[in-house]
Amino acid sequence: SQTIHQWPATLVQPVGSPLSLECTVEGTSNPNLYWYRQAAGRGLQLLFYSVGIGQISSEVPQNLSASRPQDRQFILSSKKLLLSDSGFYLCAWSAGQGGYTFGSGTRLTVV
Amino acid sequence: GEDVEQSLFLSVREGDSSVINCTYTDSSSTYLYWYKQEPGAGLQLLTYIFSNMDMKQDQRLTVLLNKKDKHLSLRIADTQTGDSAIYFCAESRNSGNTPLVFGKGTRLSVIA
Repeated sequence: SQTIHQWPATLVQPVGSPLSLECTVEGTSNPNLYWYRQAAGRGLQLLFYSVGIGQISSEVPQNLSASRPQDRQFILSSKKLLLSDSGFYLCAWSAGQGGYTFGSGTRLTVV
Repeated sequence: GEDVEQSLFLSVREGDSSVINCTYTDSSSTYLYWYKQEPGAGLQLLTYIFSNMDMKQDQRLTVLLNKKDKHLSLRIADTQTGDSAIYFCAESRNSGNTPLVFGKGTRLSVIA
């Protein structure tokens, strides 16, 4: 069966520090992968998605970046965090027209 | 346009039915989804409907689709306190590689 792992669950980082959030999927090949951010009390904002290794589409220009070094690994990064980067980050995967399966999320607080 | 619209809040009494509404703008949508998000958790797929259907029932959940009006609804029968969550509507397009478009979510509060 397919599973998606996202870590860490919570993270408190100072302004200006780097960020690396990792997401891995098991039990499937060539999934579509997604990073979303959910600010407090707000909806989902699509940040990046990837349809294959090394293929990254950015939806919102900001100081975040994403990479897909392996088929089932999706990494969200920042060189210098801003206060406005705080939020709940969700990774998800899908196969074609299928619905998304979401990870359990990372709560990031930038202080 | 790509907007998916939902009302932000809904409050119901335990045991009553809840109806969460959603409108979308893209007539080429193929699948429409309902997701549930409990506090501090990721989103869980509740149910989905293919665009050539007008109704789908799954236990306490009933999805109604009016394709002409681009209106989707989720009815929860006999609403329980455990149904309190945020419910997201989402649509997909013809291409399987195009990301889903999500609404902003409806926060359902169930009053005991």
